[in-house]
Parts: sequence; structure tokens; C-alpha cells
Amino acid sequence: KAGVTQTPRYLIKTRGQQVTLSCSPISGHRSVSWYQQTPGQGLQFLFEYFSETQRNKGNFPGRFSGRQFSNSRSEMNVSTLELGDSALYLCASSPIAGHGYTFGSGTRLTVV
Amino acid sequence: QQPVQSPQAVILREGEDAVINCSSSKALYSVHWYRQKHGEAPVFLMILLKGGEQKGHEKISASFNEKKQQSSLYLTASQLSYSGTYFCGTEGSGGATNKLIFGTGTLLAVQP
Repeated sequence: KAGVTQTPRYLIKTRGQQVTLSCSPISGHRSVSWYQQTPGQGLQFLFEYFSETQRNKGNFPGRFSGRQFSNSRSEMNVSTLELGDSALYLCASSPIAGHGYTFGSGTRLTVV
Repeated sequence: QQPVQSPQAVILREGEDAVINCSSSKALYSVHWYRQKHGEAPVFLMILLKGGEQKGHEKISASFNEKKQQSSLYLTASQLSYSGTYFCGTEGSGGATNKLIFGTGTLLAVQP
């Protein structure tokens, strides 16, 4: 079966712009989580969606937001980009809680 | 609260064993283990739920000591393919919430 698909793979944006990243989970997986990965901070939890509802949120500013659609696809949005937002953004899906996650290949965002 | 992993890095020769530890300051419901190779997405290895079970996956196994809020990943007779960064992820004792917080990672390098 198809894995978790993230688009785009790479993005270069300018400070102050906004960006939208997309994640299509494995078919049948209703939970989608987003992580920011940087060399210094590791995998930082952004938020988790289940059945179109945000159930969990990490410690990120309000510039980071997300949503989930009825087909479980998810998007995350970062507004007013800062240089420090440069990172690999990973999404992961799981069928329900208590199961392992399947990660997508990520979107590499560079803010210049 | 981010779990603490130790060691931060380990270098092995093929065939040697290694143990990676993961400690939390909070009571845990579950511990996940993932391996990430350079330039790739993290890959799920196993999940341990509270109850102290030990699980195995080929020559990689793990234990979960609920009382000590610790988990250990055991790699026996290491192979070159085991190289990568290992992350533990923890869920708090509130149950299966899908709010998975990852540790800072342990870099494992297996040399011929």
C-alpha cells in the first residue's frame, strides 16, 4: 500500500512569507502528527489531528497552524516565516493511538 | 517533557552489542522506538505499552520499566544496516493520546 506522501519535498521561502505543506496519510489512518526536525533540537512535536480535530498541540507559536480534511489529508501552515523556521517538517500517520507511526519523507523548508 | 536518551553516540564493530536507554521524568503509557538513516524518514521499530513487556524484532529487542519510567533498546550482533540515529518516543500516562514526544536521539555507527 502507498506510504505517507508529503509535498512539496523542498521549499525555499523569504522571511515574512507564509507556506503551506501537505501530507497524505496511509489509507485508513485517521491520525496525523506533524514534527519539526532540526540538527540542534531533534524531533519537536507540532500538533496531531484525528478525524479533523486537533487533539494535541506542542509548544510552537501561533504562526504554526494546521488542519485535517475529511479524507484525513492534512496541511500545516506557517505564517510570517522566520530564519529559524528552516527545518525538515515531517508528518506521520497511525491508524489509532497505541500503534506505531509511519513517517513521510518530509518537506525541507529553507527560509532566506 | 522530552525524554533523555543515552548514550548520545556509540560506535560499534560488526557483531558487537549495544544498549540505548530512554528515561522520562513523567509516568508513561507507552514507549516507541524508531531508527532514522541519514537523509531518510524515521522508521518504526516497536512499541511497548505499560506492563513491562519485552518485545523483539529480529536481533533488536526492547524493555519497558514502567516504575522507573525507563526503556532500553538492545541491539545484538550488530550489522552494518543497524547504523543510524535511534529515537525513543514517549506518551504520558494519561493513555494512548497520540502525543508522542521524542528524545534527542542516539547516533549508532557500525563499522566493518
